[in-house]
Amino acid sequence: AQSVTQLGSHVSVSEGALVLLRCNYSSSVPPYLFWYVQYPNQGLQLLLKYTSAATLVKGINDFEAEFKKSETSFHLTKPSAHMSDAAEYFCAVMDSNYQLIWGAGTKLIIKP
Amino acid sequence: DGGITQSPKYLFRKEGQNVTLSCEQNLNHDAMYWYRQDPGQGLRLIYYSQIVNDFQKGDIAEGYSVSREKKESFPLTVTSAQKNPTAFYLCASSPGGVRNTEAFFGQGTRLTVV
Repeated sequence: AQSVTQLGSHVSVSEGALVLLRCNYSSSVPPYLFWYVQYPNQGLQLLLKYTSAATLVKGINDFEAEFKKSETSFHLTKPSAHMSDAAEYFCAVMDSNYQLIWGAGTKLIIKP
Repeated sequence: DGGITQSPKYLFRKEGQNVTLSCEQNLNHDAMYWYRQDPGQGLRLIYYSQIVNDFQKGDIAEGYSVSREKKESFPLTVTSAQKNPTAFYLCASSPGGVRNTEAFFGQGTRLTVV
């Protein structure tokens, strides 16, 4: 069975600092992985996805994620945090039945 | 513009009443989903439909019902049997049948029981 673990329900960084949000997965099939962002009282928006083409995936708003099979990880990073990045971030894996399995989410807090 | 439209954005319901949340998509997607979101609990799947006239229960289907009579529409009814319906509800769609495509989300409906 597939599962997703996001380490840290809240992550706080200073404006301009590196953002690192962690995601580990388990999957019995080759994984397809996704990062979504949710701003308050809005739906989810796709940031980026891994579909086996390249291990380093670039997304919108300068976010990127690296797929590491040996570590079963797909951590999300951004070199320099901006106040507008404050939101909740969700990692997900697509299972063998075409269902998205979701992590619990990480709230990113940006300190001025 | 292609996308998913949920309505209304805010909904208030009295205890004991059924209420229906609307979800319409013009992306020509086969699969549609309803999720419930509570603070600190991520997304929990209520119902999903892979094709018209067919749907399956998700992890928390009790107290909810759905229909899929048209490809573009997947309404969710929150019945009086749902003991704690106050939550944020999200509808999503995807092409279905392929694992490398993402789901697209509506803007959500916030339901409050008063």
